[in-house]
Amino acid sequence: QVQLVQSGAEVKKPGASVKVSCKASGYTFTSHNMHWVRQAPGQGLEWMGTITPSGGSTNSAQQFQGRLTMTRDRSTSTFYMELDSLRSEDTALYYCARMLTSGSYNDAFDIWGQGTMVTVSS
Amino acid sequence: DIQMTQSPSTLSASVGDRVTITCRASQSISNWLAWYQQKPGKAPRLLMNKASSLESGVPSRFSGSGSGTEFTLTISSLQPEDFATYYCQQYNSYSSFGGGTKVEIK
Repeated sequence: QVQLVQSGAEVKKPGASVKVSCKASGYTFTSHNMHWVRQAPGQGLEWMGTITPSGGSTNSAQQFQGRLTMTRDRSTSTFYMELDSLRSEDTALYYCARMLTSGSYNDAFDIWGQGTMVTVSS
Repeated sequence: DIQMTQSPSTLSASVGDRVTITCRASQSISNWLAWYQQKPGKAPRLLMNKASSLESGVPSRFSGSGSGTEFTLTISSLQPEDFATYYCQQYNSYSSFGGGTKVEIK
């Protein structure tokens, strides 16, 4: 079945970086764009950015530009999200989410990872 | 960036009630709107795509309408499993989410 399995929880100090992985299975890796969404404790969903798995091109929300790096490894069907210069406000559950339609640039997210908790604390 | 505003932020209702949640976009998004349901400790679940297209497996008591800047999600007869938080999402220009509507037991 189609699934996205994310890496485990992380605890980081302010100023550090975190890299979260998202391993895709059950579908053709290059066919669906991937997005990253985060959710601070008790808060709503915040879109972070997207990557095309075939060419690796990315687009991110303005508030993350310069701090967010999204990559993918086609050989292992894995996506990565790296966030730099962490601050306490980055404490959140980070999700990868697959775009519904193959080849689409405008679509909802049908498959979500289980989430990776990132805690930023001194 | 397109801002999405949901109302109300919290809704108290009883089993069997008809419930309506509103989502407004800061600019026209055509029908590029999705609705999600999220329960505590779980990832969001896609309910509705293109404003009114029900996803497979989603009960028919859920319906969506709207286009342009104003959208609604309606649950015709609230069931115990529907108590959750609901989010709208635009994907006309990249993506952004509404702030969420928590549907709680009255």
